[in-house]
Amino acid sequence: DAGVIQSPRHEVTEMGQEVTLRCKPISGHDYLFWYRQTMMRGLELLIYFNNNVPIDDSGMPEDRFSAKMPNASFSTLKIQPSEPRDSAVYFCASSFWGVGANEKLFFGSGTQLSVL
Amino acid sequence: GQQLNQSPQSMFIQEGEDVSMNCTSSSIFNTWLWYKQEPGEGPVLLIALYKAGELTSNGRLTAQFGITRKDSFLNISASIPSDVGIYFCAGQRDNAGNMLTFGGGTRLMVKP
Repeated sequence: DAGVIQSPRHEVTEMGQEVTLRCKPISGHDYLFWYRQTMMRGLELLIYFNNNVPIDDSGMPEDRFSAKMPNASFSTLKIQPSEPRDSAVYFCASSFWGVGANEKLFFGSGTQLSVL
Repeated sequence: GQQLNQSPQSMFIQEGEDVSMNCTSSSIFNTWLWYKQEPGEGPVLLIALYKAGELTSNGRLTAQFGITRKDSFLNISASIPSDVGIYFCAGQRDNAGNMLTFGGGTRLMVKP
């Protein structure tokens, strides 16, 4: 199993540009999560999907952030327009039957985003 | 919102030493998980705990689910250089949907 695949691994962009992060969850997993990691705030849950449907997006910072999951094998996180304070590592993670007893969360390798 | 307080924030130890870190919360959790994150990678699950008082080992790692269900501990025995990384605790409550709450992490550095 290839695990959770994220692309790109690194993204450097200028303030105001649109950024799209991509994720392919583990096949068969029905939950997908987007996290953001910074030194100041640690790991923050942004949004999660169940069976391609967004369940909780209360962690999305503001309207500049949007996430979609058009099918079971693909999700995107978009920032438009990007700002320097969006610089962070963005992780996608997936799990089966959600996260709870007997369930485990598998993380991708992350996208390191730098907004100049 | 609920928070997990993880300590220490960082540790710099000599190879061969034992390591202890812990996570505390003001809220009860029904599942505790410990993850390790290596540079440039995402967190990887080390140990999962599902029952208060449970003590679980994974090689040189041992984790315990606190009796009060408000804390958890991770111990690493006889540390080696490849133990370097950031260790995260995470808790889950049955009535919290499918969300985990993560601690701030303990950065472990091991001197050969």
